[in-house]
Amino acid sequence: NAGVTQTPKFQVLKTGQSMTLQCAQDMNHEYMSWYRQDPGMGLRLIHYSVGAGITDQGEVPNGYNVSRSTTEDFPLRLLSAAPSQTSVYFCASSKDREDTGELFFGEGSRLTVL
Amino acid sequence: AQSVTQLDSQVPVFEEAPVELRCNYSSSVSVYLFWYVQYPNQGLQLLLKYLSGSTLVKGINGFEAEFNKSQTSFHLRKPSVHISDTAEYFCAVSTFMNTGFQKLVFGTGTRLLVSP
Repeated sequence: NAGVTQTPKFQVLKTGQSMTLQCAQDMNHEYMSWYRQDPGMGLRLIHYSVGAGITDQGEVPNGYNVSRSTTEDFPLRLLSAAPSQTSVYFCASSKDREDTGELFFGEGSRLTVL
Repeated sequence: AQSVTQLDSQVPVFEEAPVELRCNYSSSVSVYLFWYVQYPNQGLQLLLKYLSGSTLVKGINGFEAEFNKSQTSFHLRKPSVHISDTAEYFCAVSTFMNTGFQKLVFGTGTRLLVSP
């Protein structure tokens, strides 16, 4: 039972480079989301999706793009990396609108932008 | 808008001692409340949740939390901690977005440090 799988676990980028963080879940959850975790700030929502083809912005969406072509996958794209995007990124999934909102998290992707 | 305050950024405690991690929330509507734990270099996993009913909620690893509506608190407790409980603990409250998506608003976390 894999749950939520994120790749890569670690990445170092130079300012201006682009990359994609991959996220896949095998629980048939409708809802998926991306959070970033920064020291002293807890977790903040970047983007989320309520189903295939439907995405929306969270609290801190600038500099990030997402798409949801399948129920299973929800990649996060950094278009032009900046040092302010150095963070730990977590992908999470939850069942659907009738659920309690409990999130299932991946193990995280640690990104450093130089 | 909902918000969560975790007053203690770090709580040091000796093994086998009791511990309480404090969480206060602000919300004008009924809420779901959660405690998550994050062990070093891992993702977050659910400790316990309050949805409705009994205000005392029991979770995994011997943790429990009490929902207090009048004080808008959801403090986490354990009567006797182990070294393995060393981790960061996050309190969270749910809030609905316009799209129906139920977002979790997290506190800033409390680092529990258990020493022998």
